[in-house]
Amino acid sequence: DQQVKQNSPSLSVQEGRISILNCDYTNSMFDYFLWYKKYPAEGPTFLISISSIKDKNEDGRFTVFLNKSAKHLSLHIVPSQPGDSAVYFCAAYSSNDYKLSFGAGTTVTVRA
Amino acid sequence: ETGVTQSPTHLIKTRGQQVTLRCSSQSGHNTVSWYQQALGQGPQFIFQYYREEENGRGNFPPRFSGLQFPNYSSELNVNALELDDSALYLCASGTGTRPEQYFGPGTRLTVT
Repeated sequence: DQQVKQNSPSLSVQEGRISILNCDYTNSMFDYFLWYKKYPAEGPTFLISISSIKDKNEDGRFTVFLNKSAKHLSLHIVPSQPGDSAVYFCAAYSSNDYKLSFGAGTTVTVRA
Repeated sequence: ETGVTQSPTHLIKTRGQQVTLRCSSQSGHNTVSWYQQALGQGPQFIFQYYREEENGRGNFPPRFSGLQFPNYSSELNVNALELDDSALYLCASGTGTRPEQYFGPGTRLTVT
């Protein structure tokens, strides 16, 4: 039962433009939502998180938006840079069982 | 400050054998979690350890077991290996009160 879904397997964007990654979830008990970035042959790297009681969190070029009524969150990267090319995972955290539930990932390619 | 480290990097085992994977947590962290990532999927939560006890468990059979040591290093043991156990195994450390977890580079296990 996939509780976190990333429906776009890939995204291609031009350098300098905005990248928008989307994520949907089904479990209303999730407390936090996180985004991770993964390069080949490396573990996922934590990017940014948002509490379920907030609707926006910003950190430099990265902004996460949360729409609880729609059970939807998105990650905006602006401006996109070549080093942003990676796989991005959406994850949701439940304090009931301390686990992160991950989506399948979106591969972002930033074109020069 | 050292990050999360894992050993070995790669491992090949035969079906039915047993395997032990190792992880050293990031300095200052007191929880360690293990995840299995199959090709093309997001990481799947196996279990978490806190104060040397299992603190939460995902949908994995009992042949997946673990240990956390007083220095917060950890082991993942898998008995009676099956072909479907072939995956990237990720260790992540964190603090008990925060959802953010920080990942190691992973161990690639191949079962033949």
